[in-house]
Amino acid sequence: KQEVTQIPAALSVPEGENLVLNCSFTDSAIYNLQWFRQDPGKGLTSLLLIQSSQREQTSGRLNASLDKSSGRSTLYIAASQPGDSATYLCAVLNQAGTALIFGKGTTLSVSS
Amino acid sequence: NAGVTQTPKFQVLKTGQSMTLQCAQDMNHEYMSWYRQDPGMGLRLIHYSVGAGITDQGEVPNGYNVSRSTTEDFPLRLLSAAPSQTSVYFCASSGGQSPYQPQHFGDGTRLSIL
Repeated sequence: KQEVTQIPAALSVPEGENLVLNCSFTDSAIYNLQWFRQDPGKGLTSLLLIQSSQREQTSGRLNASLDKSSGRSTLYIAASQPGDSATYLCAVLNQAGTALIFGKGTTLSVSS
Repeated sequence: NAGVTQTPKFQVLKTGQSMTLQCAQDMNHEYMSWYRQDPGMGLRLIHYSVGAGITDQGEVPNGYNVSRSTTEDFPLRLLSAAPSQTSVYFCASSGGQSPYQPQHFGDGTRLSIL
């Protein structure tokens, strides 16, 4: 059974720092991996989607990498801002394409 | 463009009551799904649909029913509410018949069962 783990569960950094969030998964047979952001009391917003054949995706200050063979993905946030404070979730899509399996998230707090 | 709309936003039920959580999307997406989010458990898939008239079970389907009569709507029914169904429920949609594309989520329905 696919399991997705995110470490750390919580992270606090001062504004301006570069930071890395980690995601690992147990079954490398995935179709894609997606990173989401969730603000308190809100739904999820898709940030980046990496297909299984890709190594990384970039959007603005965000860069996500995927190493399928080792079952790892990282989300790199450059020059963090207080507005980046949120919970970040990763999810993998199984190869049947039927289900997203989510990690429990990393809650990020960026202080000014 | 409203995206994915969920109603109601909050609901309190008594054990044994039934209710329907509504989900509508205006993006002509084929794939729609329901998740529940519980503290310490993450998001878990309840049911999903790959198009009108086609639904299937996810990881935690017991106690829930779904139907998909139109592309736009995907309601989730609780037949006889139980305290274990207290949770935040999210509806999501994406283009195509699978979550291959980025998922669009609603803002959730916060449900308490007393």
